[in-house]
Amino acid sequence: EDKVVQSPLSLVVHEGDTVTLNCSYEVTNFRSLLWYKQEKKAPTFLFMLTSSGIEKKSGRLSSILDKKELFSILNITATQTGDSAIYLCAVEGGYGGSQGNLIFGKGTKLSVKP
Amino acid sequence: NAGVMQNPRHLVRRRGQEARLRCSPMKGHSHVYWYRQLPEEGLKFMVYLQKENIIDESGMPKERFSAEFPKEGPSILRIQQVVRGDSAAYFCASSATGGFGGTQYFGPGTRLLVL
Repeated sequence: EDKVVQSPLSLVVHEGDTVTLNCSYEVTNFRSLLWYKQEKKAPTFLFMLTSSGIEKKSGRLSSILDKKELFSILNITATQTGDSAIYLCAVEGGYGGSQGNLIFGKGTKLSVKP
Repeated sequence: NAGVMQNPRHLVRRRGQEARLRCSPMKGHSHVYWYRQLPEEGLKFMVYLQKENIIDESGMPKERFSAEFPKEGPSILRIQQVVRGDSAAYFCASSATGGFGGTQYFGPGTRLLVL
């Protein structure tokens, strides 16, 4: 069965800390891995990763994929209270006939304290 | 640039009633996906639709659930004879291109509560 596992499930840090969120996967026909940030409303898209070893950056956030070891990490440097959210990892893939649906992990709940 | 729109945002139904959830994709997007998020669980894929076609419904429960995406108007997820276990957040996403590689953008979700 395809699965995506995120760790830790929750994390509490103080402003200014750097955090690393983990996502490992076992998904047939892997195509891409995506990170989303979910606050109270819609999950908002952060990154899509398709190639191993190429870091994607957006401000204080960065992410990298390792297709050999089947995992990805999301780094957030100099955290702020506005980074508090659930971070979702999703993998695009699956058995034949499953075109484009995303397989999500349970998320990492990040709380950043002032 | 309106994003993905879902309504209602909150829906309360009694057991046995019907629930209709609507999703309007982003402008220019013709691919729609529905996901369900149960408490303490990750989002689970339900169905993928293109205009007037169901492409993949491998995640849909076999009974009581149906989805459509007509030529005109929003996509609709319909749940007949709701039960308490249907209480969840239902998210819709849309993409400009279908299949693999099309980035999915999510709506704010509909939170269904079945009493």
